[in-house]
Amino acid sequence: DTEVTQTPKHLVMGMTNKKSLKCEQHMGHRAMYWYKQKAKKPPELMFVYSYEKLSINESVPSRFSPECPNSSLLNLHLHALQPEDSALYLCASSQPPWGPNLETQYFGPGTRLLVL
Amino acid sequence: AQSVTQLGSHVSVSEGALVLLRCNYSSSVPPYLFWYVQYPNQGLQLLLKYTTGATLVKGINGFEAEFKKSETSFHLTKPSAHMSDAAEYFCAVMTREGAQKLVFGQGTRLTINP
Repeated sequence: DTEVTQTPKHLVMGMTNKKSLKCEQHMGHRAMYWYKQKAKKPPELMFVYSYEKLSINESVPSRFSPECPNSSLLNLHLHALQPEDSALYLCASSQPPWGPNLETQYFGPGTRLLVL
Repeated sequence: AQSVTQLGSHVSVSEGALVLLRCNYSSSVPPYLFWYVQYPNQGLQLLLKYTTGATLVKGINGFEAEFKKSETSFHLTKPSAHMSDAAEYFCAVMTREGAQKLVFGQGTRLTINP
């Protein structure tokens, strides 16, 4: 099974709301990622977790707060977002690429977020 | 810093014709190279990747790509296009130093004409 699941599929929120995006994988992967994809643009990396520890933060504003409660689950907590944060948020997972083997990143279907 | 350039934001071919999507990278050391496909309202699916060894890589759905170090290229081809190939295609690179950061090109939208 090479599936990464994301919930919800769609989310509409106001600028004062607090919401969370959820990502889950059961492939035994120990690296998980959040990407942001604006319309007609490529995905851009936001965060990387390796072994449940934050290893990469691509200078993302603090209104985005990631959390990795266990090896299968990755959350993205949203607070006080701006309309320009509207985008498709993609989660991915892989084994950490330690050593000579490069592991593929498997992507979920994404959560389409609209901030009003 | 590494970067990826995809020539042509939109490519249109007839069903049954050759598909050629171009990708060039800029990196002092040849990186790992990937092609991903994204169908409308979906996530990304890996088509193929080059890490080491044979420079002609075969992927899913009849696609293949050839790594040419001298040309810093990794173009994607398919001999005969099918209507189901219509999608957005992204070329991506990752450094060999253990970083997990995928850097994507701007993407090429492939349209198939009946």
